[in-house]
Amino acid sequence: EAEVAQSPRYKITEKSQAVAFWCDPISGHATLYWYRQILGQGPELLVQFQDESVVDDSQLPKDRFSAERLKGVDSTLKIQPAELGDSAMYLCASSLGAGGEQFFGPGTRLTVL
Amino acid sequence: AQKVTQAQTEISVVEKEDVTLDCVYETRDTTYYLFWYKQPPSGELVFLIRRNSFDEQNEISGRYSWNFQKSTSSFNFTITASQVVDSAVYFCALSGWSGNTGGFKTIFGAGTRLFVKA
Repeated sequence: EAEVAQSPRYKITEKSQAVAFWCDPISGHATLYWYRQILGQGPELLVQFQDESVVDDSQLPKDRFSAERLKGVDSTLKIQPAELGDSAMYLCASSLGAGGEQFFGPGTRLTVL
Repeated sequence: AQKVTQAQTEISVVEKEDVTLDCVYETRDTTYYLFWYKQPPSGELVFLIRRNSFDEQNEISGRYSWNFQKSTSSFNFTITASQVVDSAVYFCALSGWSGNTGGFKTIFGAGTRLFVKA
């Protein structure tokens, strides 16, 4: 069964360090999403790609966060520098197209010390 | 602006009871999609159902059923004869057209944590 892959599963870093998360969507899925989920809350969309283009990054803190999907397949989300408030679960999801059902990866749990 | 409200923060039931999780949404779009996802203790979100705004037919899948009513902007989820394995956080989500970005934007509710006791 096709799955969304994410790595690493867990990341512990100190504040002011740089971190990067990787996501490989289900093959053929044109739309890729990065979400942040704080404990006890619902996922919050950070950035949405359609193929290699960003279609929504309105909630992405662009002074420290960046995301890319260079060839329209896998994607990387970077935080530099990390802050204490960035501790959360970072989820990647993909869908055939925008508005379609999203399939989620296992997430990366980030802890910033 | 779009909004999804799940007013029930936590629900606790005894096994075999029926339980309904409420979801109320707000949107000015005429074309939109509604979803339910399950997040078990393992953490990975699992897709349960997707409905489009033009299809108000209720749906049943095994012990799960969904009631979509545009008149009350609600998309409620009922589990019949609940089981311990149903214990999880359930999220309702809305994908609507965003004029700002020229694409569909998804927002999630805050979730309802369901505890099913044996």
